[in-house]
Amino acid sequence: AQSVTQLGSHVSVSEGALVLLRCNYSSSVPPYLFWYVQYPNQGLQLLLKYTSAATLVKGINGFEAEFKKSETSFHLTKPSAHMSDAAEYFCAVSEAGGTSYGKLTFGQGTILTVHP
Amino acid sequence: DAGVTQSPTHLIKTRGQQVTLRCSPKSGHDTVSWYQQALGQGPQFIFQYYEEEERQRGNFPDRFSGHQFPNYSSELNVNALLLGDSALYLCASSLGTWGQPQHFGDGTRLSIL
Repeated sequence: AQSVTQLGSHVSVSEGALVLLRCNYSSSVPPYLFWYVQYPNQGLQLLLKYTSAATLVKGINGFEAEFKKSETSFHLTKPSAHMSDAAEYFCAVSEAGGTSYGKLTFGQGTILTVHP
Repeated sequence: DAGVTQSPTHLIKTRGQQVTLRCSPKSGHDTVSWYQQALGQGPQFIFQYYEEEERQRGNFPDRFSGHQFPNYSSELNVNALLLGDSALYLCASSLGTWGQPQHFGDGTRLSIL
């Protein structure tokens, strides 16, 4: 069984400050990990993915995430927040192989607020 | 290149009615997954279709059913609607191999009165 925990349902930062959104996962087999962003009244847009290659993954809009197997974590960071980053962010896991067929299990989401 | 498209964008139904939601996958994708996103929650997996067959199903009752057509488009049907079925229904498409990211449509907002 797989699960995702996102620590902090709301994160608030100032424009230009570091963004850190936390994600811990549980999976019985090697995982694939994803971060998605959702703007109001829209679907989910893929930010980045980890699929067992480099542990530091770079995504769109300046975001990156680091896979740490020992900590079962996949935290999302961005060095300098922009107003346009305000949105809800979801971490998701799927299992590599088996009968999951790429089914995604999502965390509860973290709403990012950026103050001027 | 069109992404995932869903219709309708909004729908209002009453308890006990039936509803059909539609999804066209991104060009080149052969797998369609459906998710339910309740207000303030993360999306929950309903089921996945590949080669016109339901390949995997989440923890949803049989009132939720689906179909995939030869052109890979898909429908989600919900019978005997309950107030708790009010949610954003998201369709996602991907290539049918592990690790391939799923691309989402903007969803159908279903409200049950």
